[in-house]
Amino acid sequence: AQSVTQLDSQVPVFEEAPVELRCNYSSSVSVYLFWYVQYPNQGLQLLLKYLSGSTLVKGINGFEAEFNKSQTSFHLRKPSVHISDTAEYFCAVINDYKLSFGAGTTVTVRA
Amino acid sequence: EAGVAQSPRYKIIEKRQSVAFWCNPISGHATLYWYQQILGQGPKLLIQFQNNGVVDDSQLPKDRFSAERLKGVDSTLKIQPAKLEDSAVYLCASSQRGPADTQYFGPGTRLTVL
Repeated sequence: AQSVTQLDSQVPVFEEAPVELRCNYSSSVSVYLFWYVQYPNQGLQLLLKYLSGSTLVKGINGFEAEFNKSQTSFHLRKPSVHISDTAEYFCAVINDYKLSFGAGTTVTVRA
Repeated sequence: EAGVAQSPRYKIIEKRQSVAFWCNPISGHATLYWYQQILGQGPKLLIQFQNNGVVDDSQLPKDRFSAERLKGVDSTLKIQPAKLEDSAVYLCASSQRGPADTQYFGPGTRLTVL
């Protein structure tokens, strides 16, 4: 069974507009949740993670995500995007002591 | 601090040939991972080492794929014989302890099987 589902495969957005990337996880898995980003021609890097504590998690480059246990979601948000935010974003969850990734959301920021 | 190194960056082979990939993790990182990323999909874990022992290889096609981590540092991933469906990017990552720690990824090796 899929452990994490990213609801949007592609998200086009204009520069300086807000963006939200949706991620839902299976309630059967642990609640260690991550967002990784893959910029063009670069390796994956961690944006942020939730292990415990405050449900609002702040990450690098102005991104934040909110863990919502009742809705089994971990959506990623940024209030104002830049051209440099164009990338592929992956939601991931720890399942059976291994990291399981979603299919990814491609964000394209246009001027 | 040097990042995760991988080589080669690109490889093109014909089906039924063999190929090997190399990974050098960040110094001091106990855990090393190999992922397969097929175009349009998220990375899928193939094998996870802690020091030089295998923690998880449940998704490794063991009839054709093999991996080792010598002396708990460098690692190699081998495919023999390759199939068309093995065309993918092979990512190596490392973390200080387990998978809940930040994983640092290398640039990947893009394999094309013709």
